[in-house]
Amino acid sequence: QSALTQPASVSGSPGQSITISCTGTNNDVGRYNLVSWYQQHPGKAPKLIISEVTKRPSGVSNRFSGSKSGNTASLTISGFLAEDEADYYCCSYAGRTTVFGGGTKVTVL
Amino acid sequence: QLQLQESGPGLVKPSETLSLTCTVSGGYVSSSSIYWGWIRQPPGKGLEWIGSVYYSGSPYQNPSLGSRVTISMDTSKNQFFLRLTSVTAADTAMYYCARHPNRYFFDYWGQGALVAVSS
Repeated sequence: QSALTQPASVSGSPGQSITISCTGTNNDVGRYNLVSWYQQHPGKAPKLIISEVTKRPSGVSNRFSGSKSGNTASLTISGFLAEDEADYYCCSYAGRTTVFGGGTKVTVL
Repeated sequence: QLQLQESGPGLVKPSETLSLTCTVSGGYVSSSSIYWGWIRQPPGKGLEWIGSVYYSGSPYQNPSLGSRVTISMDTSKNQFFLRLTSVTAADTAMYYCARHPNRYFFDYWGQGALVAVSS
């Protein structure tokens, strides 16, 4: 099972919208609506920000939203803030396994 | 509030066995539909799922780690465990335990335990 493909880095200006892609296959992202996204600040544990493609856990800002088309899922951050600067990981259920993306470092311009 | 805490040696010698414990408080490891998972992150690298265990039934494990991994649980102590045999420097990582409802996502995470493999 190969890792899901994410861009290594994405940059955004404050107030801008940025989108991170996560590409898998027909065996994971494309087959199940079970993609989740995690935010990780340096030295901290990952934090769930999107579950099941589009669901936002309680307490997570509505500036974060998720979507999926075919084998590619996406995370959009609207109204980008400096505090959003972090690493972001996608993850997909894949039947008997679970697979993460390689991670995307999001930085402020 | 559910909390998870990893514990175990921070240093393991090459070829030996890495053993970690995750202690759960504020909830029960025997909860219905709740799996409990291990995830690791080598320094400066991304996340890798190791495996997930349910209170009844066989655990699910990352095939890339093969038979080196054993994940188990003790419901009486509200703990679950990771055992990784024949470790090498490539197993040096931060090891996280997390709650894994239905194996769909990881919603509660421990703070992580850094394990270095070195002689």
